Amino acid sequence: DIQMTQSPSSLSASVGDRVTITCQASQDISYYLNWYQQKPGKAPKLLIYDASNLETGVPSRFSGSGSGTDFTFTISSLQPEDVATYYCQQYDNLFTFGPGTKVDIQ
Amino acid sequence: QVQLQESGPGLVKPSETLSLTCTVSGGSMSSHYWNWIRQPAGKGLEWIGRIYSSGTTNYSPSLKSRVTMSLDTSKKQFSLRLSSVTAADTAVYYCASSYSGYTFDPWGQGTLVTVSS
Repeated sequence: DIQMTQSPSSLSASVGDRVTITCQASQDISYYLNWYQQKPGKAPKLLIYDASNLETGVPSRFSGSGSGTDFTFTISSLQPEDVATYYCQQYDNLFTFGPGTKVDIQ
Repeated sequence: QVQLQESGPGLVKPSETLSLTCTVSGGSMSSHYWNWIRQPAGKGLEWIGRIYSSGTTNYSPSLKSRVTMSLDTSKKQFSLRLSSVTAADTAVYYCASSYSGYTFDPWGQGTLVTVSS
């Protein structure tokens, strides 16, 4: 099984701040990684696929990078509506999600 | 635009079988993977399994012995059965579509299933 870790588990930042979340896979997964946003009480929403491709309609302040075992998700300028938990998900071998990173506004 | 809606009992007794259905609207079921994903309260997401429009299934290794998925294209529904449930199976259960096979989009709103006597 491929295990996914994320850091930090939670963060608090100010509106306009740059926010970075990292995701690490237990083995090389190439670029087979997606990122989701889950707001409280809602289903997750796909933001980034194939590690760095922005899903249609998703604001350009969201971005992703990385390959192999180490990946990064960035919000270039945090907005109040970005308060959510963010999950990475690998699809190299079936599917596994990371434990999530909760993002709050300071 | 495909929309998904989960339905089924919100309470299941320990050792019994959990059964959920996901109804698809606004699009075709062909050439899609149909997934079940769950989330215990305050915890992360766990992929349970998927069924392709042809009927081919893939299940999570950790749940494989207890999971069965089926498809009824005439009703535009797919279903999940999870046997021998325990309190650890208490979670919000989501159905989700995948055209690519590797991204989950869109998702249903989720349905809470509690395992308790």
